[in-house]
Amino acid sequence: EVQLLESGGGLVQPGGSLRLSCAASGFNFSNHAMTWVRQAPGRGLEWVSTILSTGGTSNCADSVKGRFTISRDNSKNSLYLQMSSLGAEDTAVYYCAKGRLIVDQWGQGTLVTVSS
Amino acid sequence: QSALTQPPSASGSPGQSVIIPCTGTSSDVGAYNYVSWYQQHPGKAPKLMIYEVSKRPSGVPDRFSGSKSGNTASLTVSGLQAEDEADYYCSSYAGRNTLVFGGGTKLTVL
Repeated sequence: EVQLLESGGGLVQPGGSLRLSCAASGFNFSNHAMTWVRQAPGRGLEWVSTILSTGGTSNCADSVKGRFTISRDNSKNSLYLQMSSLGAEDTAVYYCAKGRLIVDQWGQGTLVTVSS
Repeated sequence: QSALTQPPSASGSPGQSVIIPCTGTSSDVGAYNYVSWYQQHPGKAPKLMIYEVSKRPSGVPDRFSGSKSGNTASLTVSGLQAEDEADYYCSSYAGRNTLVFGGGTKLTVL
């Protein structure tokens, strides 16, 4: 059974930084691209960033470009999202998800709240 | 990276069918057969219901079907049941390892 478990969310002040982690199990992590998707309170889904299986190629949404960095450690079956210069608009549940063309498995999400 | 366009709401009575459209552009929906549909109940993670325009993952009832014409994809839910009441999101691959989602449609079973 595929399991994706996010952690690292919490309350952070505007301008601050946070690192999200996602622990994957139940599939061959190193063979799959991974994606972060976020959902602001009461709003829709927004693609954030995708990284390919080897970690050598990634892309991110214009709304986070230059502030967020996706990475992975295939030896630890883990995905990360380093977030900096956070603003109120980044308040959301952040989901770790498996896939690139099709996102077929999702974690339960971790809430990031940016507020003073 | 503009969002795909979905109606904010849709509704139908039990047993009826409802169609939810998802309109993109020639750079996303029209360019790739990688349109997916997700169901999300309140407080829950999204669940994949349709992938590659019209394929159903194992365990998804065949009441759910998908199609595409040009830049518009559609999700059809036939034989509506109470448990189908949820938010539905479309997504499309948009090239260069990017995805785009629709704004979501709240489906109400009357």
